[in-house]
Amino acid sequence: NAGVTQTPKFQVLKTGQSMTLQCAQDMNHEYMSWYRQDPGMGLRLIHYSVGAGITDQGEVPNGYNVSRSTTEDFPLRLLSAAPSQTSVYFCATTRGRGSEAFFGQGTRLTVV
Amino acid sequence: KQEVTQIPAALSVPEGENLVLNCSFTDSAIYNLQWFRQDPGKGLTSLLLIQSSQREQTSGRLNASLDKSSGRSTLYIAASQPGDSATYLCAVNQGSQGNLIFGKGTKLSVKP
Repeated sequence: NAGVTQTPKFQVLKTGQSMTLQCAQDMNHEYMSWYRQDPGMGLRLIHYSVGAGITDQGEVPNGYNVSRSTTEDFPLRLLSAAPSQTSVYFCATTRGRGSEAFFGQGTRLTVV
Repeated sequence: KQEVTQIPAALSVPEGENLVLNCSFTDSAIYNLQWFRQDPGKGLTSLLLIQSSQREQTSGRLNASLDKSSGRSTLYIAASQPGDSATYLCAVNQGSQGNLIFGKGTKLSVKP
């Protein structure tokens, strides 16, 4: 079992470029979410999904897009990258609201 | 709005000491609280999950307590080792979607 797998691990983008951060889980969990981690800010929720076909916004959704076509995958799209999106991005999954959350190893994104 | 605070922000102790990390939250209406460990440049590793109905959880040298009414949790680490050096994060699960609200962490350094 790989758990939660994020790709790529590192990425450098130019301002205005778009890209997709991948997240895949083999735990058969319904709930998946994306967080960003910034120095001094802690982890903040970007978008989340409670099942295939269902997504919703978190605390900091602007500039990001998500979709959930399968239980296993929850990609995060940056539509037009900005330097303010330089951050470490984490994908997480949980079986349900009272269950333990599991995180991927993160994607370190730099926008220049 | 739920706010999670961790004190101290950083802590340095000699090897072998018992230590306590603190986490407080402003809204006691939570489903659970989870403690994580994060090594530099790595993802989050789940340490302990305490349900709102529980008072404490133990795993090896770690013991986490929860006082929901006062909005506090502590992580007790017994007989600290240099390998315990990491950032420790606490997070509360408040919503039905299973999403987490994080503190900013306590950076622990255990000196040999």
